[in-house]
Amino acid sequence: DAGITQSPRHKVTETGTPVTLRCHQTENHRYMYWYRQDPGHGLRLIHYSYGVKDTDKGEVSDGYSVSRSKTEDFLLTLESATSSQTSVYFCAISKTPSGSATGELFFGEGSRLTVL
Amino acid sequence: DAKTTQPPSMDCAEGRAANLPCNHSTISGNEYVYWYRQIHSQGPQYIIHGLKNNETNEMASLIITEDRKSSTLILPHATLRDTAVYYCIVRTNAGGTSYGKLTFGQGTILTVHP
Repeated sequence: DAGITQSPRHKVTETGTPVTLRCHQTENHRYMYWYRQDPGHGLRLIHYSYGVKDTDKGEVSDGYSVSRSKTEDFLLTLESATSSQTSVYFCAISKTPSGSATGELFFGEGSRLTVL
Repeated sequence: DAKTTQPPSMDCAEGRAANLPCNHSTISGNEYVYWYRQIHSQGPQYIIHGLKNNETNEMASLIITEDRKSSTLILPHATLRDTAVYYCIVRTNAGGTSYGKLTFGQGTILTVHP
């Protein structure tokens, strides 16, 4: 159990509505990530965080924003959802006792978002 | 980070060893090889990683060639539950701007059959 909880696990919404996905961790790790997964594209990094209030863009960040006001929560927001954002979203954390980031990530169970 | 090349699919009989190859001919000296797998509808699962030496854990073994341009993930006794997409990823563990980011490719679909 990696101590990661994603919510909601499933959501259906309409084009133009705002959506926030939440990633919650119980172990106080510094590094957190949001990926999306689509057929034919594999997993693609949207945004990541390397500390409270420290975030940066990944390879597919357009249309997404993130916030990390406390260590345990990393929020992904779609300000105005579009059909192209229909996807499965995965949150991940990097568990490193030293505080530096390695490539050993632990993923949540995913949030399936459908934008009609 | 160096790119990797994997076969799109492989088959393996249950109980036999599954050997999944990965080519990373442009790997640089400080880049590690990571393996993940993703079972249908679940989040990816870390399997193993290595730099130069062969590595083994409770899930698998990782064999890296001496020139480090390719590697093989070995599942010694594959079971039906090992059916998944297997990703080979190369990245540096250095600090700075890497921040632990991983770039996933298309991976290899491993099907274990009875």
